[in-house]
Amino acid sequence: KAGVTQTPRYLIKTRGQQVTLSCSPISGHRSVSWYQQTPGQGLQFLFEYFSETQRNKGNFPGRFSGRQFSNSRSEMNVSTLELGDSALYLCASSPIAGGHLPEQYFGPGTRLTVT
Amino acid sequence: GENVEQHPSTLSVQEGDSAVIKCTYSDSASNYFPWYKQELGKRPQLIIDIRSNVGEKKDQRIAVTLNKTAKHFSLHITETQPEDSAVYFCAASIGQAGTALIFGKGTTLSVSS
Repeated sequence: KAGVTQTPRYLIKTRGQQVTLSCSPISGHRSVSWYQQTPGQGLQFLFEYFSETQRNKGNFPGRFSGRQFSNSRSEMNVSTLELGDSALYLCASSPIAGGHLPEQYFGPGTRLTVT
Repeated sequence: GENVEQHPSTLSVQEGDSAVIKCTYSDSASNYFPWYKQELGKRPQLIIDIRSNVGEKKDQRIAVTLNKTAKHFSLHITETQPEDSAVYFCAASIGQAGTALIFGKGTTLSVSS
């Protein structure tokens, strides 16, 4: 099976702009989670989607939002970008198969730089 | 809010030695505890995981132990090799399905030959 893919891989934006990142999960995986990784804060949970519904949410401001489509692909959007939003954004998919551990498999990430 | 503490932040060992990384979590409802290895410039890779109803799990040179009462879990790597050098993250689940994870800040493991 193909792994988790994310597009674009690199992005440079200016303060105040908005950005949309995309994640395609492993085929058959219905859960997609998003994480922000920075050198100072490590890996921080943004939100999780399952069957097009946001199931869990981390402690990020409302500028960070997401959605999931019927084919399980997910997007996250950051509006009014700030310099502090510069980070590696990782998505992870999980099969949620009955009786299995909820292993999450990460994509390669999108490196966002805000100038 | 939910929190995961991870220690130490850096760990240097000689090839062949053992390495132990410890984590504590705050959410009593956490029921899934994975460990990830991240090499420089690469994505986190799942190396081992454990459910809350299991006390210990082993996979070749790596093992994880869980003390749910004390909210502690640990990663043990035996016979370390230079290729074990990486950043290791522990995580604890939030929410019922276990697919939302709170991560520790990471441990940079350096194995010298």
